[in-house]
Amino acid sequence: EAQVTQNPRYLITVTGKKLTVTCSQNMNHEYMSWYRQDPGLGLRQIYYSMNVEVTDKGDVPEGYKVSRKEKRNFPLILESPSPNQTSLYFCASSARGSGANVLTFGAGSRLTVL
Amino acid sequence: LAKTTQPISMDSYEGQEVNITCSHNNIATNDYITWYQQFPSQGPRFIIQGYKTKVTNEVASLFIPADRKSSTLSLPRVSLSDTAVYYCLVASTTDSWGKFQFGAGTQVVVTP
Repeated sequence: EAQVTQNPRYLITVTGKKLTVTCSQNMNHEYMSWYRQDPGLGLRQIYYSMNVEVTDKGDVPEGYKVSRKEKRNFPLILESPSPNQTSLYFCASSARGSGANVLTFGAGSRLTVL
Repeated sequence: LAKTTQPISMDSYEGQEVNITCSHNNIATNDYITWYQQFPSQGPRFIIQGYKTKVTNEVASLFIPADRKSSTLSLPRVSLSDTAVYYCLVASTTDSWGKFQFGAGTQVVVTP
């Protein structure tokens, strides 16, 4: 089954404790991206990657890092989480070409930073 | 990047047709219009995509006027399971591809 898999699905952590949210896709998609969703603010893009070793900032990149060492994986790293990063996070992927804006999203990762 | 504007919410009854209009006045020549559906605590799901005129699939129709400054997602004969948030995304598949800006979405509530 074609899918985007995120882990963990739920996480409660404390301020300053580094964490990584993993994202993996099995569709050989070139493009991957991360979003956060907060009440009333819709989806806001954090980072995106056009291909391996190519990443760029979205609208809200502060406090986050990403890497794209393999085509299928695009982890989101919070080096020193703060309470304002409490949110619902989504990873998405798509292929290049006319279907480039047809994103396949993961199920989401709900993060709480205390 | 094209900025989009959608109604915050819409209410409907089962069996009715729901039309959600998205305004995108600064749409660029290479931009496509894509709609997503999101249920609570789930990732958004692709519904339909179009460039101009009308596109129809088994779930919805997308109407795009000639000037492309707006688009309307049409959900025929909605049921309770169509209660969700609907997002309009306008973005190129070539120019500045990858940097996506979703709006706040439209909450559709379907009641019996």
